Amino acid sequence: AQKITQTQPGMFVQEKEAVTLDCTYDTSDPSYGLFWYKQPSSGEMIFLIYQGSYDQQNATEGRYSLNFQKARKSANLVISASQLGDSAMYFCAMSPPGGGADGLTFGKGTHLIIQP
Amino acid sequence: DTGVSQNPRHKITKRGQNVTFRCDPISEHNRLYWYRQTLGQGPEFLTYFQNEAQLEKSRLLSDRFSAERPKGSFSTLEIQRTEQGDSAMYLCASSLSSGQAGGPYNEQFFGPGTRLTVL
Repeated sequence: AQKITQTQPGMFVQEKEAVTLDCTYDTSDPSYGLFWYKQPSSGEMIFLIYQGSYDQQNATEGRYSLNFQKARKSANLVISASQLGDSAMYFCAMSPPGGGADGLTFGKGTHLIIQP
Repeated sequence: DTGVSQNPRHKITKRGQNVTFRCDPISEHNRLYWYRQTLGQGPEFLTYFQNEAQLEKSRLLSDRFSAERPKGSFSTLEIQRTEQGDSAMYLCASSLSSGQAGGPYNEQFFGPGTRLTVL
């Protein structure tokens, strides 16, 4: 069975600092994808970044980058130069085995608060 | 805006009543997913459709839960005889299957959710 673990229930970070949100995963399948979503207080899940298990390079999307360490089964999200608008819940998720069309498996999330 | 839409956004009902939620996916997306999110947890997968076919429904929480996507476009999620434990946010997502190995083949776009409160 797949599992996503996010060990930081909450984080406080000063504006403009970089922040790393931790995510570890467990799967026996060699082919999988890892996602990060942001959920503001409005409730909508916003896709941030994707990393495939066979990707050679770490994914980057603007201020977001994914620190993918396959041997450690970790996929940490790094947000550079944090902004007040980054305050939200952040969820790490994994695609089903073999990239099939089943639902995503989510972690419990990290509540990030950016302080001015 | 052509994102995923869900109606209603909020629903308050009394225990024992039936409720139905609607999801309109992004128009060209062929896959549609339903999730439940309780307080302090990540979304929990319930079921999904590819076009009008419901390909996975074993994760539906009980036989009180059912979903349809009659014409492969919008979908409805119905909960019969609601219980207080059904109170949660119900999220819908859609995606376009690409079949491309190693690509973001399962990138799902989420709607704003329907928040259900059962009194």
